[in-house]
Amino acid sequence: QQQVKQSPQSLIVQKGGISIINCAYENTAFDYFPWYQQFPGKGPALLIAIRPDVSEKKEGRFTISFNKSAKQFSLHIMDSQPGDSATYFCAASFAGGTSYGKLTFGQGTILTVHP
Amino acid sequence: NAGVTQTPKFQVLKTGQSMTLQCAQDMNHNSMYWYRQDPGMGLRLIYYSASEGTTDKGEVPNGYNVSRLNKREFSLRLESAAPSQTSVYFCASGRNMDTEAFFGQGTRLTVV
Repeated sequence: QQQVKQSPQSLIVQKGGISIINCAYENTAFDYFPWYQQFPGKGPALLIAIRPDVSEKKEGRFTISFNKSAKQFSLHIMDSQPGDSATYFCAASFAGGTSYGKLTFGQGTILTVHP
Repeated sequence: NAGVTQTPKFQVLKTGQSMTLQCAQDMNHNSMYWYRQDPGMGLRLIYYSASEGTTDKGEVPNGYNVSRLNKREFSLRLESAAPSQTSVYFCASGRNMDTEAFFGQGTRLTVV
């Protein structure tokens, strides 16, 4: 079963617009929620992450919003740029020990930002 | 500083052949992981190793074996490849108690 569901599958945004990608999780024991960015031919790289004790985390143009009661979290990319065009994955894992790298990923969103 | 290095980058196998995917990291990380990436399914954990000498199954371990050769190296073996194992394979590493997994550039495997 897919424990982390991600939408949309693909997203097209104009330069300067806001990109929004949503994820929902099932296991309430998850307590670490990262977003990974992947460019073609490359491995995923950590973009930003959040713990469930906060509702929002912002790093530059990237913001995670987290709704614990709804078991949902989302990535907002402000002022989207063509260089942001990539595949984005949400993920979840359990805190502690070796668990951070044992990630459960969403299906991925292919973001295209048009100039 | 190379990070996580995977070899080979591309491989084509015939059904029933065996092969080993190699992974090495130079970040002195304790934990290492193997994932496979398939369209529409994200990445799924195959096996992981919390430290040298230990390995454990992930979400999709069937058809694979692993070896944690030393702290740096973690290999993934397909004993008898099947078309369902056509995928992109990623190795990752991380420090225990850390929050970030660092990924290699992947191995694109096709089984015909």
